[in-house]
Amino acid sequence: EIVLTQSPGTLSLSPGERAALSCRASQSVGSYYLLWYQQKPGQAPRLLIYGASSRATGIPDRFSGSGSGTDFTLTISRLEPEDFAVYYCLHYGTSPPYIFGQGTKLEIK
Amino acid sequence: QVQLQESGPGLVKPSQTLSLTCVISGDSVSSDSAVWNWIRQSSSRGLEWLGRTYYRSKWYYEYEVSLQSRISINPDTSKNRFSLQLNSVTPEDTAVYYCVRGIMVAGPSPGFDCWGQGTLVTVS
Repeated sequence: EIVLTQSPGTLSLSPGERAALSCRASQSVGSYYLLWYQQKPGQAPRLLIYGASSRATGIPDRFSGSGSGTDFTLTISRLEPEDFAVYYCLHYGTSPPYIFGQGTKLEIK
Repeated sequence: QVQLQESGPGLVKPSQTLSLTCVISGDSVSSDSAVWNWIRQSSSRGLEWLGRTYYRSKWYYEYEVSLQSRISINPDTSKNRFSLQLNSVTPEDTAVYYCVRGIMVAGPSPGFDCWGQGTLVTVS
């Protein structure tokens, strides 16, 4: 079973700065199957990125995804106040189980 | 626009059965591209996929291996909804439970693209 490890656990940055969040898989995964979600307090996760680099509908272009094999990155080019949240990566393969990373909390410095 | 809404008891006693229902609007539980999932979230276990059901000429059911002996997910086509039953619960099953639509397509998939608001279930 694939394990996804996200780093850092917490990232403290200021609005306007660039954020880079890492998701590392325990074995190589197809780029088609790596997704990113954002979750704010009291809300369900929201899809940001699928297929490692495709933005979901309505997601601003300051969000971008990259990577392949075992190493994937979510980049937020210029942080807006509403971007401070918890971010999860997900391996959504062709069959279950579906595995989430443990999350990275992006907090205001 | 697809919307999902969970409902069910917020408090369940240990050893009893947790039962939740998810009503679907804007899509069909019998859709030939969607799959219908339950996912839970707790501070101790994070986001955990529990299982799914979907229709592709017949109904399919798939569950997290560790829960297979006590979980059941069932569609209700007459009311366009699906349900979760989790038997023999313990305090470890305390979590926010989400019903979630998944998309199955060839190539890059939007995965879990639509989530209910979630419902907190406490086992105590």
